Amino acid sequence: DTAVSQTPKYLVTQMGNDKSIKCEQNLGHDTMYWYKQDSKKFLKIMFSYNNKELIINETVPNRFSPKSPDKAHLNLHINSLELGDSAVYFCASSQESRANSPLHFGNGTRLTVT
Amino acid sequence: AQSVAQPEDQVNVAEGNPLTVKCTYSVSGNPYLFWYVQYPNRGLQFLLKYITGDNLVKGSYGFEAEFNKSQTSFHLKKPSALVSDSALYFCAGISNTGNQFYFGTGTSLTVIP
Repeated sequence: DTAVSQTPKYLVTQMGNDKSIKCEQNLGHDTMYWYKQDSKKFLKIMFSYNNKELIINETVPNRFSPKSPDKAHLNLHINSLELGDSAVYFCASSQESRANSPLHFGNGTRLTVT
Repeated sequence: AQSVAQPEDQVNVAEGNPLTVKCTYSVSGNPYLFWYVQYPNRGLQFLLKYITGDNLVKGSYGFEAEFNKSQTSFHLKKPSALVSDSALYFCAGISNTGNQFYFGTGTSLTVIP
């Protein structure tokens, strides 16, 4: 009954490869997000989708492409992986219609690029 | 520019003592403020939020936070720290008219037995 689930939990890959991270939420929320947490634990918003529509697209290399097939899913595809992409990626969701609604986070995907 | 600041990277406190984790904000309009906790290898978990009303907000695990508009602060507090409270704490804010959360840089809390 996990609220926000993302797979895989760990991802180890080589530079230049293409990989995807999947995220699903069963909370009925309208908005989903991708955050990147670096080695210093800083959190940075990458993307936000509301009802499958892109809302926030921060300064992120265009090698990163989010895809939302429906409002319960937000996947992240990364092309031509680089060493600097190594981080923990968190998916989150919230009820957008209420700005006071807290974020619900998945447990993260630790990406290691070698 | 909007932002949330956590001035302390690390806070150490003895078990049983009161703890405070500091947060200041610069958010337009009426801010909604949140505290989250992150345990190792886990996602952030919601602790409490301030929307409006009483400046003292109570949340999960005995934590509370005080909204101070004049000092633009939202410090997290607990009267008696537990070793199990050791974790990374994040403050976050969003404008009542906005769609983007602003996170602080996190404060690592260590409760010493």
